[in-house]
Amino acid sequence: KQEVTQIPAALSVPEGENLVLNCSFTDSAIYNLQWFRQDPGKGLTSLLLIQSSQREQTSGRLNASLDKSSGRSTLYIAASQPGDSATYLCAVSPNNAGNMLTFGGGTRLMVKP
Amino acid sequence: GAGVSQSPSNKVTEKGKDVELRCDPISGHTALYWYRQSLGQGLEFLIYFQGNSAPDKSGLPSDRFSAERTGGSVSTLTIQRTQQEDSAVYLCASSLAQAGQQYFGPGTRLTVT
Repeated sequence: KQEVTQIPAALSVPEGENLVLNCSFTDSAIYNLQWFRQDPGKGLTSLLLIQSSQREQTSGRLNASLDKSSGRSTLYIAASQPGDSATYLCAVSPNNAGNMLTFGGGTRLMVKP
Repeated sequence: GAGVSQSPSNKVTEKGKDVELRCDPISGHTALYWYRQSLGQGLEFLIYFQGNSAPDKSGLPSDRFSAERTGGSVSTLTIQRTQQEDSAVYLCASSLAQAGQQYFGPGTRLTVT
């Protein structure tokens, strides 16, 4: 059974810092990996999707990397802003029929002005 | 609308009552997913619909839970004889294809008293 772990569970940084969120998964047979953002009381917003054949994806100040063989992904946020404060979730989809996601527990990020 | 919509946004019900939660996916999306987010369990997969294929019900926690998708579009998640442990946020997502990026609705917060 796939298990996804995110470290740290919570992180507080001053505005302007670069930061890295970590995600690990136990079964490397994945189809893709997604990073989501969730604001309190809201649904999930997809940030980046990395196919299993890819190594990284970039969107603005965000960069996500994937090392499938070692079961790891990182989300790098450059020049953090208070508006980045949210919970960040990592999720993987299996390498077979269907695309149900297995989620990590999330990292709760607070960026202080 | 352009995104996934869910109704109601909040639902309070008494233990033992049945509830129905509705999801309107993005138009044209063939895949539809239900997830549940609770404090103790994080975000977990419930059920998956793809086109006209039989749904993948492997994530449903008990036979009190069922879901249907009519006409390949709107989906209803039904919970019979609700229990307090059913209290959670129920999230719906859709994707254009089986392995595509998933777009989430805002969720329905269910409270069973």
